[in-house]
Amino acid sequence: DGGITQSPKYLFRKEGQNVTLSCEQNLNHDAMYWYRQDPGQGLRLIYYSQIVNDFQKGDIAEGYSVSREKKESFPLTVTSAQKNPTAFYLCASSIRGEGTEAFFGQGTRLTVV
Amino acid sequence: GQQVMQIPQYQHVQEGEDFTTYCNSSTTLSNIQWYKQRPGGHPVFLIQLVKSGEVKKQKRLTFQFGEAKKNSSLHITATQTTDVGTYFCAGAPTSGTYKYIFGTGTRLKVLA
Repeated sequence: DGGITQSPKYLFRKEGQNVTLSCEQNLNHDAMYWYRQDPGQGLRLIYYSQIVNDFQKGDIAEGYSVSREKKESFPLTVTSAQKNPTAFYLCASSIRGEGTEAFFGQGTRLTVV
Repeated sequence: GQQVMQIPQYQHVQEGEDFTTYCNSSTTLSNIQWYKQRPGGHPVFLIQLVKSGEVKKQKRLTFQFGEAKKNSSLHITATQTTDVGTYFCAGAPTSGTYKYIFGTGTRLKVLA
């Protein structure tokens, strides 16, 4: 089955620890994205990548880091510098080109205690 | 900065009633997309509008893009319980961008 997979679905971490969220896609998409969703709010863009070995900051990149070493993978690290990391994180991918739909993963709910 | 607002934030309707959510951008958009997120789920693409004044229909759903390409609406006729979820618009501020700005979303509850 083609799709985009995020793991794990739920993640708990202690405050001050870095944590990496996995995102893998087998859709052969060039573009990948990370969004953060807080209760009652829309999706805010953290980072996006249009091609392997290249990525750009979104609107709320502070306290996060990413890598894009493979086309299929776009892991997100939530660092201890992120002041309020508890949230629902969504990864998405799309083919390159204007106005292409984004396919979302199931999301990872991160709770920092 | 660029903002995309949606109203209302919440809407409760009786099954069979109509529902409309409005999306307003602070800047002109190249195109706009609509997504639906079921409770506990992830956003799923519904449709994309590109042309000024464009209207598209999907069964009971009607999508419209404003003439000035700064606003859009989603109208659902005769809601069903399966329509429950949060509806988001996502606007592309410039042509060729991958950086869509998502609206705040409208959460729809349908009472049977």
